[in-house]
Amino acid sequence: DAGVIQSPRHEVTEMGQEVTLRCKPISGHNSLFWYRQTMMRGLELLIYFNNNVPIDDSGMPEDRFSAKMPNASFSTLKIQPSEPRDSAVYFCASLGLAGGTDTQYFGPGTRLTVL
Amino acid sequence: AQSVTQLDSHVSVSEGTPVLLRCNYSSSYSPSLFWYVQHPNKGLQLLLKYTSAATLVKGINGFEAEFKKSETSFHLTKPSAHMSDAAEYFCVVTSTGTASKLTFGTGTRLQVTL
Repeated sequence: DAGVIQSPRHEVTEMGQEVTLRCKPISGHNSLFWYRQTMMRGLELLIYFNNNVPIDDSGMPEDRFSAKMPNASFSTLKIQPSEPRDSAVYFCASLGLAGGTDTQYFGPGTRLTVL
Repeated sequence: AQSVTQLDSHVSVSEGTPVLLRCNYSSSYSPSLFWYVQHPNKGLQLLLKYTSAATLVKGINGFEAEFKKSETSFHLTKPSAHMSDAAEYFCVVTSTGTASKLTFGTGTRLQVTL
C-alpha cells in the first residue's frame, strides 16, 4: 500500500510565480482533502472533494488558489500568483474505511517557500 | 458545533516514564475522536480513534486513550516513553458521523529526554 503520494516534497519559488502541488490518493478512496499547516494558524482545511466533485471550498483563502480533481487518482492545488504569505506545508489526505469506520490518511506534505 | 482543546502546547518527559497528553472536546452530537502524530518533516499518522465502541481505545506504538463523556475528555497515555515518541500530537474531533469534517486541536509537542 503506497499511501497518499504528494509531489513535490519541497518547492521554492519567487513571488508572482505559479505553483502547482500534486496529490495521488489511496486507490479506492472516494474523498480527497487539501490542508495547509502554518505555525500561526495550525492545520486548516482548504477544500475537499467527494467522487471528484468539490464539496466544500470555504477554506480556500482567495481567488489565487484553485484546486481540481480530474479523476479519482489525481488532484492538483494551484496558486497563481504566489505570495510569501503562502509559505506553508500543504497536506493532501484521502478518506477510506478502517475498522468499519472512515478515517483520513495523510500524505507526507509539500513544503512551499515563496521568496 | 465542535471544538477540541489541547491543554498543553508542550510536554517534556524522561525516557521510560509515563506520557499524558490532555485533550478536551466539545460536540453537539456523539463525537468520533482521533489522535494523530506528526514526526518532524513528516505527514500526520493515525495513532488511534474512538467511534462509540469501547471507551478505552488502544492504538499503535503502545499508546491508548480513554473516552470520558462526563468529563468531555480524550486524554492520550503511554506507560513508558521512548525517544522515538518525540513528535507533535493532534487531538481531532468530528461530530458529523463522518470523518469528512475534522476539527484539529492546536497540537502538543512531546519532548523525550534521556
